[in-house]
Amino acid sequence: SAVISQKPSRDICQRGTSLTIQCQVDSQVTMMFWYRQQPGQSLTLIATANQGSEATYESGFVIDKFPISRPNLTFSTLTVSNMSPEDSSIYLCSVESGQGAYGDTQYFGPGTRLTVL
Amino acid sequence: AQSVTQPDIHITVSEGASLELRCNYSYGATPYLFWYVQSPGQGLQLLLKYFSGDTLVQGIKGFEAEFKRSQSSFNLRKPSVHWSDAAEYFCAVGAGRTYKYIFGTGTRLKVLA
Repeated sequence: SAVISQKPSRDICQRGTSLTIQCQVDSQVTMMFWYRQQPGQSLTLIATANQGSEATYESGFVIDKFPISRPNLTFSTLTVSNMSPEDSSIYLCSVESGQGAYGDTQYFGPGTRLTVL
Repeated sequence: AQSVTQPDIHITVSEGASLELRCNYSYGATPYLFWYVQSPGQGLQLLLKYFSGDTLVQGIKGFEAEFKRSQSSFNLRKPSVHWSDAAEYFCAVGAGRTYKYIFGTGTRLKVLA
């Protein structure tokens, strides 16, 4: 399984500012994913990030609010823009273990706990 | 549409007791099923997964799960719970020819000494 790190581990931000979260993997992976876990709730997929192409966003998430970069096969960033208290969540990145085949296992980073005041 | 239901929001068991966490799914074909555990302040750790074959799957930390197609269930079990098992447990289904996972709402396990 891949070893995934995220920075920062937590942050407290002011309304209207932006925060960029970094996700680093110890091996090259094709598929990376960004999830949001709102307080007391389950995980919701924000977007899928492939290296060399635009991220694919899920319904309810837009690029202007959550721009994603994927400059290489081991790294990705998620920016939470123009934050409001409703953005307070844990943001997790995950990677797929295999070659992108159907049903490959996803492994998760430790998450970034964001609080917006 | 695919969905995952974890009927129990909270479960409390005594240390040493057996554990079963329920997971029901809705999916039109044979699903890929997963159980993850999230300890406080941590990310998700994969406990086990079912893709095909033997319907009883063994995982890490002494956990197992059984896939029952007739009941659309994938319940997680452990014969003897340890205090360190206190965490939140998520069931997930791999949704079709995509890479999307659909997660249940989680079950928070409390272990009494």
